[in-house]
Amino acid sequence: EAGVTQSPTHLIKTRGQQATLRCSPISGHTSVYWYQQALGLGLQFLLWYDEGEERNRGNFPPRFSGRQFPNYSSELNVNALELEDSALYLCASSLDRDSGRPQHFGDGTRLSIL
Amino acid sequence: ILNVEQSPQSLHVQEGDSTNFTCSFPSSNFYALHWYRWETAKSPEALFVMTLNGDEKKKGRISATLNTKEGYSYLYIKGSQPEDSATYLCAFNDNNAGNMLTFGGGTRLMVKP
Repeated sequence: EAGVTQSPTHLIKTRGQQATLRCSPISGHTSVYWYQQALGLGLQFLLWYDEGEERNRGNFPPRFSGRQFPNYSSELNVNALELEDSALYLCASSLDRDSGRPQHFGDGTRLSIL
Repeated sequence: ILNVEQSPQSLHVQEGDSTNFTCSFPSSNFYALHWYRWETAKSPEALFVMTLNGDEKKKGRISATLNTKEGYSYLYIKGSQPEDSATYLCAFNDNNAGNMLTFGGGTRLMVKP
């Protein structure tokens, strides 16, 4: 069974540009989560999607947005990139909306802002 | 803002030593406590999801306990091996926050052969 896959592995952008990160969940999983790990900080929750709807949002500005497609894959979009957006972005998936399910993580996309 | 804290931040042990670390979390609105292992250059791996006060879970040489009334969980590793070297993360699931996980800062374990 394929795990959570993320693309690209690395992404280099400049300030003010827009970045799009992609995530494919484990087959059969309907919930997708996005987390940010900035340098020196722990994992911070960004967004949760389930069945195509945004279910919860972390404490991030509106320029962080995303969507979930009918096949349950997801995109994270970051507009007007700032230097502090440089981070590892992890995507995770779980079987469904049950909070007691483990979340399974991908390898991440490392976003660097020059 | 939820406060999830892990201690110690890092730990060096010799191969064969047993070790344990702590995760403390809010004792109110508890739904679940997750433990993950994150090895360098890999993705975080789910170890346990614990939901019941007094729960104890085991996976090989790793076990975890949960006290929701006082807001802490312990992770134990028996007979540490070099391959146990990783960062161990706990994450709190608030009853009012859906599936949002609040992570602690992690305990970085290094096992010397």
